[in-house]
Amino acid sequence: DAGVIQSPRHEVTEMGQEVTLRCKPISGHDYLFWYRQTMMRGLELLIYFNNNVPIDDSGMPEDRFSAKMPNASFSTLKIQPSEPRDSAVYFCASRGGSGANVLTFGAGSRLTVL
Amino acid sequence: AQSVTQLGSHVSVSEGALVLLRCNYSSSVPPYLFWYVQYPNQGLQLLLKYTTGATLVKGINGFEAEFKKSETSFHLTKPSAHMSDAAEYFCAVGSFNKFYFGSGTKLNVKP
Repeated sequence: DAGVIQSPRHEVTEMGQEVTLRCKPISGHDYLFWYRQTMMRGLELLIYFNNNVPIDDSGMPEDRFSAKMPNASFSTLKIQPSEPRDSAVYFCASRGGSGANVLTFGAGSRLTVL
Repeated sequence: AQSVTQLGSHVSVSEGALVLLRCNYSSSVPPYLFWYVQYPNQGLQLLLKYTTGATLVKGINGFEAEFKKSETSFHLTKPSAHMSDAAEYFCAVGSFNKFYFGSGTKLNVKP
């Protein structure tokens, strides 16, 4: 398996623009998580899905952030409009079903908002 | 509620010396405990995990950790540091479907 695939790896955009980050989880994994990593706040859980359904989005910072999982092999995290304080590395992680309580992370998407 | 505290944001050791990275957790339920390593510009990779059973857990690259319930600790050790061990290490606690990460410890290995 190719692991968790994230795109783009790097994104530089201007304040006010829409940003879409993409994630392909490991095939067969039924949980998908979005994390944000910053120097100040470390790793923060934004949202997670089970079987494509959002279960807990309490970590989403504000309404400018939204996430979807239209099918088992694809998820997006969207920021609209983006702000400089959104600059961070965004990680997607997936987890298998029973007996596999381990997160596998993607390589991350580094977002810079100017 | 669950949380993780990693003592020391930066640890520096000489090559060949013992590595000890400290992690304490709080959890209201029996925890699953993890150590992850992050190399520059990469995602987090699993080093080792404790779920149930033996409290001394061996991981990749010669690392091991011991779950001590009485001390609520899960410290990471390696007998002899190698230059390639320089990275950031994260302790995490998880149960059900939430995983909480510590703030990370950057390990520097001096030649």
